[in-house]
Amino acid sequence: SQQGEEDPQALSIQEGENATMNCSYKTSINNLQWYRQNSGRGLVHLILIRSNEREKHSGRLRVTLDTSKKSSSLLITASRAADTASYFCATHFLIQGAQKLVFGQGTRLTINP
Amino acid sequence: DAGVIQSPRHEVTEMGQEVTLRCKPISGHDYLFWYRQTMMRGLELLIYFNNNVPIDDSGMPEDRFSAKMPNASFSTLKIQPSEPRDSAVYFCASSFGLASYNEQFFGPGTRLTVL
Repeated sequence: SQQGEEDPQALSIQEGENATMNCSYKTSINNLQWYRQNSGRGLVHLILIRSNEREKHSGRLRVTLDTSKKSSSLLITASRAADTASYFCATHFLIQGAQKLVFGQGTRLTINP
Repeated sequence: DAGVIQSPRHEVTEMGQEVTLRCKPISGHDYLFWYRQTMMRGLELLIYFNNNVPIDDSGMPEDRFSAKMPNASFSTLKIQPSEPRDSAVYFCASSFGLASYNEQFFGPGTRLTVL
C-alpha cells in the first residue's frame, strides 16, 4: 500500500521539549504534507515538502524528507500544551495518471504541562 | 471566510435509514473532497470533484454511497440504506486550482452513528 505510516503511534512529552514524528512511505511521491487534527476537529494543513527538497521550516516546525529512505520527519521545537493533537503525514503521488493524496494513521501527541 | 461548512455536525440514525451529509466549500475553491475517518481504517478519500464534476470515486465503498455536487457551493454525500459499519466521521475538504493537492481545507466533520 502507498499509505504513509507514522511512527510512533503515540507520543507524550513535557512542555518545552522537542517532539519528533516520523513517516514512511512506499513509492515515489510528488510531495509530502503534514496535517494536524485537534480532537473533534477537521485537519489543518501545516507544511508541504516537495520531492526535490530535503528540509523545510515553518515557525517551530521543521520537516525533513529523505527520498532514498522514503521517509520524512516532523520536528516541533519548544513544544506547548496547544500542540497536543494528532499529526498526519499525507503523500501526494500519481497512479495511472490520477492524482492521489493518501493519509497515514497519525501520531497522537500529548504535551504535558 | 467561514471556511468549509458541514451539516449536520452529529447524526444518529437507525440501520436502514437514509442519511444525507452536506457540505459548502470555501467560495472560489474548485475542488471538493469527501473523506471518511475511523479508528480502524484512518482517513480514507471517498470521492472528489473538480468544477462540480466527479473525478475519482474509486474510494466509494459500495453502491449504497452516492455523492453529488449540483453547483459550486454545495455537495451532498448520501448513504442509503445506512449500516452500523458506516459509523464514522465524514469530512469534506476543498482546495483551489493547480494546488488542489497542495493544501486542502477541511470542514469540522459530521459524526455519524448508525445504530
